[in-house]
Amino acid sequence: AQKVTQAQTEISVVEKEDVTLDCVYETRDTTYYLFWYKQPPSGELVFLIRRNSFDEQNEISGRYSWNFQKSTSSFNFTITASQVVDSAVYFCALSEEGGTYKYIFGTGTRLKVLA
Amino acid sequence: EAGVTQFPSHSVIEKGQTVTLRCDPISGHDNLYWYRRVMGKEIKFLLHFVKESKQDESGMPNNRFLAERTGGTYSTLKVQPAELEDSGVYFCASSQEQGRDTEAFFGQGTRLTVV
Repeated sequence: AQKVTQAQTEISVVEKEDVTLDCVYETRDTTYYLFWYKQPPSGELVFLIRRNSFDEQNEISGRYSWNFQKSTSSFNFTITASQVVDSAVYFCALSEEGGTYKYIFGTGTRLKVLA
Repeated sequence: EAGVTQFPSHSVIEKGQTVTLRCDPISGHDNLYWYRRVMGKEIKFLLHFVKESKQDESGMPNNRFLAERTGGTYSTLKVQPAELEDSGVYFCASSQEQGRDTEAFFGQGTRLTVV
């Protein structure tokens, strides 16, 4: 069965520290997509990144970077030099095989960046 | 371009009452999804519309939940009669293309509290 695990319920860091949010997934599919979303205090889910299962290259976007490793079924997210504005709940998601391509989400990790 | 909007942002109702949630997707998006997050747990898929047709409603909890999308534009999700376990945040999302490599855009959610 498809499943996404975010074992870190809550993380607190001091501003300017680096922080890594873990995501481990399970799927029987050979082709699948992984996503990260950010939920700021305003409530909406903001899309951060999409990665397909055939592309294991790491990606960097400003202070954000993602490490996709199929061998360990992980898709971890690192924020470098964290800022208070990074405080949010972060969700990892897997898109499921089938006609609807619905998302399977993890339980989310609440990140608190302290000034 | 307006994002996905949901109404109301909060709703507190008594057990046994009826509540209707509304979602306005991004204009031109044929795909509309409903998800729900019960406190502290993962965000779970409820159903998927393609235009006005239900593509997948496998996540609907029971027959107290009724979703509609008349005319393929906005969607409503009615809970009748509401139970305590229906409390949670209901998210709506829309996407233009149906595919695993397309991200969905989410609204800010409706927080439903059944007392």
